[in-house]
Amino acid sequence: TQLLEQSPQFLSIQEGENLTVYCNSSSVFSSLQWYRQEPGEGPVLLVTVVTGGEVKKLKRLTFQFGDARKDSSLHITAAQPGDTGLYLCAGANNQGGKLIFGQGTELSVKP
Amino acid sequence: DTGVSQDPRHKITKRGQNVTFRCDPISEHNRLYWYRQTLGQGPEFLTYFQNEAQLEKSRLLSDRFSAERPKGSFSTLEIQRTEQGDSAMYLCASSLSGGREQFFGPGTRLTVL
Repeated sequence: TQLLEQSPQFLSIQEGENLTVYCNSSSVFSSLQWYRQEPGEGPVLLVTVVTGGEVKKLKRLTFQFGDARKDSSLHITAAQPGDTGLYLCAGANNQGGKLIFGQGTELSVKP
Repeated sequence: DTGVSQDPRHKITKRGQNVTFRCDPISEHNRLYWYRQTLGQGPEFLTYFQNEAQLEKSRLLSDRFSAERPKGSFSTLEIQRTEQGDSAMYLCASSLSGGREQFFGPGTRLTVL
């Protein structure tokens, strides 16, 4: 059974601080996606990483896929209250197949 | 809006009743997925379709659960004889065949009393 472990599970920080969320597995994934979810809503796709070592930036968010395609990280610079939400990583074994999700990181950014 | 839509958004039912949820995918997407999410957890895969064919079912999908996609467009997920443990958010997603990216709907929140 493939598992994705996210850490930390909960993170409460002040506006302006930096943070990193980790997503780790003992299994190799063909791609990994990061989603953000607000209470009572579905996950919204932020980014997809495919190549080992790949780095993608989305404004203040930086996503990295591990060289062995078993782990990933999300770094947020100068966090803002609008970044508050549940961040989920999800791995896929092949294109178009099911996603395996981590348990999520609940981020709270206080003004 | 051409995103994934789900109906209803909320459903409260009594234990033992049957419920049915509907999902309308993004129009050009031929793959459709169902996931279940409980509080404090990430979504768990239930089943997926390519066009009208159901290609994979999770062992989480007990005999009380059935999903259909009769014309390869919208899909329904039915839960028979609901139990309190079925209370969760049921999420639908769609993608292009062979596409890596899945786009989620807003979910249906089920509460079984």
